[in-house]
Amino acid sequence: GESVGLHLPTLSVQEGDNSIINCAYSNSASDYFIWYKQESGKGPQFIIDIRSNMDKRQGQRVTVLLNKTVKHLSLQIAATQPGDSAVYFCAENQGFNKFYFGSGTKLNVKP
Amino acid sequence: DAGVIQSPRHEVTEMGQEVTLRCKPISGHNSLFWYRQTMMRGLELLIYFNNNVPIDDSGMPEDRFSAKMPNASFSTLKIQPSEPRDSAVYFCATHRGANPNQPQHFGDGTRLSIL
Repeated sequence: GESVGLHLPTLSVQEGDNSIINCAYSNSASDYFIWYKQESGKGPQFIIDIRSNMDKRQGQRVTVLLNKTVKHLSLQIAATQPGDSAVYFCAENQGFNKFYFGSGTKLNVKP
Repeated sequence: DAGVIQSPRHEVTEMGQEVTLRCKPISGHNSLFWYRQTMMRGLELLIYFNNNVPIDDSGMPEDRFSAKMPNASFSTLKIQPSEPRDSAVYFCATHRGANPNQPQHFGDGTRLSIL
């Protein structure tokens, strides 16, 4: 949709395959991270979060991995479905309720 | 439960006009955030309130922007006078309490076009 960048990286996957979306964050002091999903014309929707004292957290069909050494976050979606097509953002809490959002990755699921 | 409610959903107006965007937080959520989303800059925090008090407005672009939260169930973001570069989608998000380490719940935004 118009609310996201023209040059968003795009990940295209076949329905049923697993998806991995990556995010590099900037602040080594950030202690809390969130993945959001944004569909066209809607606001970001919470998917899963992780605190910096963890390196992995699992939800329903989703897993977030945190590598603090290289400041990298990833979102894995198992058995990707057409309804998963959206833009995905990672967000890091840089302190005092100041979240910095990444530029987003567009996930395109092919039926 | 109703989510965060924003109005209007779309606003088209001419430059120089005053624009007022509205947000009703989820009941019981006492932290409220205003964001702006553009193609060039992504999602940016403009201001956030806790218990109706502005805590950080360092993201407000300039004096033409102002935000208020007169009570726990209502907030406004005002642009006066508006300029074409203010065109963006404006989101309101809320969460319960002051602990920052929790997800924010977003409204569906106001798509603002300044001609």
